[in-house]
Amino acid sequence: DGGITQSPKYLFRKEGQNVTLSCEQNLNHDAMYWYRQDPGQGLRLIYYSQIVNDFQKGDIAEGYSVSREKKESFPLTVTSAQKNPTAFYLCATSGQVFNEQYFGPGTRLTVT
Amino acid sequence: EDQVTQSPEALRLQEGESSSLNCSYTVSGLRGLFWYRQDPGKGPEFLFTLYSAGEEKEKERLKATLTKKESFLHITAPKPEDSATYLCAVQSPNAGKSTFGDGTTLTVKP
Repeated sequence: DGGITQSPKYLFRKEGQNVTLSCEQNLNHDAMYWYRQDPGQGLRLIYYSQIVNDFQKGDIAEGYSVSREKKESFPLTVTSAQKNPTAFYLCATSGQVFNEQYFGPGTRLTVT
Repeated sequence: EDQVTQSPEALRLQEGESSSLNCSYTVSGLRGLFWYRQDPGKGPEFLFTLYSAGEEKEKERLKATLTKKESFLHITAPKPEDSATYLCAVQSPNAGKSTFGDGTTLTVKP
């Protein structure tokens, strides 16, 4: 069953802690993306990767870090430097950079 | 910088009442315009890709059209299950990423 897996669905952390969100895909897609979505707003790009071992900053990369060591995996770390980390985080993939994107189910992160 | 503006922010329709959602864009050469549907608490679902002015795509009660400055998502005789947020995104040749609008939240009352 092909698809994109994000875990966990809900995540709670205390302020000052780093947290890593998982994104795994078995679609054999080259490109992967991380977005943040706040209530009533569209998607804002955090990081994206067009190929293994390479990634670029998106529009709101400050306070976040990523790695792309395997084609299937693109984990996102929300660091303590991110001032407002509470949000809905979405991972997406595309076969090529200019193709449509396919999204995972999302992880809702709450930091208190 | 690529920009996408969607209107209206929210749209309430009666079941069977057809209407259109608008996506206005500014991009330095359009590589593709994408429409997605997002249900509450879920990831967006891909609907259509449009590449050039004059192109149209259809899927059930939805029809997407494209001009040089905007795209419309026409909804014909909507049903309550069409209620969702519809997102528009554009991609330019020089960008390795898509720029999304804030979406239109559609509510269809029975």
